[in-house]
Amino acid sequence: KAGVTQTPRYLIKTRGQQVTLSCSPISGHRSVSWYQQTPGQGLQFLFEYFSETQRNKGNFPGRFSGRQFSNSRSEMNVSTLELGDSALYLCASTRDRVSNEQFFGPGTRLTVL
Amino acid sequence: KQEVTQIPAALSVPEGENLVLNCSFTDSAIYNLQWFRQDPGKGLTSLLLIQSSQREQTSGRLNASLDKSSGRSTLYIAASQPGDSATYLCAARSNTGNQFYFGTGTSLTVIP
Repeated sequence: KAGVTQTPRYLIKTRGQQVTLSCSPISGHRSVSWYQQTPGQGLQFLFEYFSETQRNKGNFPGRFSGRQFSNSRSEMNVSTLELGDSALYLCASTRDRVSNEQFFGPGTRLTVL
Repeated sequence: KQEVTQIPAALSVPEGENLVLNCSFTDSAIYNLQWFRQDPGKGLTSLLLIQSSQREQTSGRLNASLDKSSGRSTLYIAASQPGDSATYLCAARSNTGNQFYFGTGTSLTVIP
């Protein structure tokens, strides 16, 4: 069974630009969560989507947004990029919302210059 | 808000040693606790998932325990190998809001 895939794997952008990252969960998984990982802050929860609806949101500014499609694939968007947005963005999928194991993708490394 | 702490932040052991990694959480209202390993620049690999009703889980040389009442989980690695070198993270899934809270990790180095 294919794992969680994320595209692109690497991105370089400049301040003020916007970026869209994509995540395809494991087949049959309906919940997708996004995390930002930086050396200083560790892994921080961005948001969770289930059945095309945002169910949970972390403490990030409105420049960070996301959506989920009917096939459970998810995208996150960051607008007006700042230097501090440079990070590894990880996506995780679970079969449903409650008791199941999270599986992570390889991440997208975003560098903002 | 759930706070998850991992001690020690870094650990270096000779090959073959048994070792214990610690994870503490402040709110016992959790659905489950999951242990991961992360290799440099890579995503997280799931190691073990313990449901809130369970006390421990085992997979090969790994054994994870959970004590909700004391807010603690431990990951025991038997007969460590150089390939075990990685950062180990624990994550507690809150049952108020369903969110996962991650610890800051323990960086393990196993010396051949």
